[in-house]
Amino acid sequence: GENVEQHPSTLSVQEGDSAVIKCTYSDSASNYFPWYKQELGKRPQLIIDIRSNVGEKKDQRIAVTLNKTAKHFSLHITETQPEDSAVYFCAASSEGGKLIFGQGTELSVKP
Amino acid sequence: DGGITQSPKYLFRKEGQNVTLSCEQNLNHDAMYWYRQDPGQGLRLIYYSQIVNDFQKGDIAEGYSVSREKKESFPLTVTSAQKNPTAFYLCASSIGAGKGEQYFGPGTRLTVT
Repeated sequence: GENVEQHPSTLSVQEGDSAVIKCTYSDSASNYFPWYKQELGKRPQLIIDIRSNVGEKKDQRIAVTLNKTAKHFSLHITETQPEDSAVYFCAASSEGGKLIFGQGTELSVKP
Repeated sequence: DGGITQSPKYLFRKEGQNVTLSCEQNLNHDAMYWYRQDPGQGLRLIYYSQIVNDFQKGDIAEGYSVSREKKESFPLTVTSAQKNPTAFYLCASSIGAGKGEQYFGPGTRLTVT
């Protein structure tokens, strides 16, 4: 079945450094790729998304890149801050409008 | 936070009992979803509904059941057949299946002993 692999599972960076999280997907028909941030004990919230007709999208310190040929996409966070500490999930669309989620990356930003 | 609510926040049940988790949205969304979240495993889809009176199994539907009698409501029943029901359950909705952002509810943490 469809699958999304996410790496790394944990990531620790110093405040001000950049963080990169990578995902690969298996369904070549996937055309929507959202990223969610989940703070401890809270609901996941969308932080950025990209569609397959675009290769890159940026929103302030956050950017997402998509390589359809290789079937992978990445989240880039620049100038990280302690409040960026959370679990981040990537996802890829699948048939019937479902989302297939990656396993999550726990990002820790050390002051 | 998007107008999607889940109740209760914490739920405790004895093994062998069925339990129903509530999910309500006032966003006029057609599509609704139930996910299960376990540590280190991301979000796994249990059931989803694209429209009222219709729903489909997700990846881990065994031991669960749902109904979609009203557009705004999508309750999930965890039956006694679910082998490992203790988990964090998240409900979500979107304008339509495959259309736009999925908005999540606050979640229900179910503990079965």
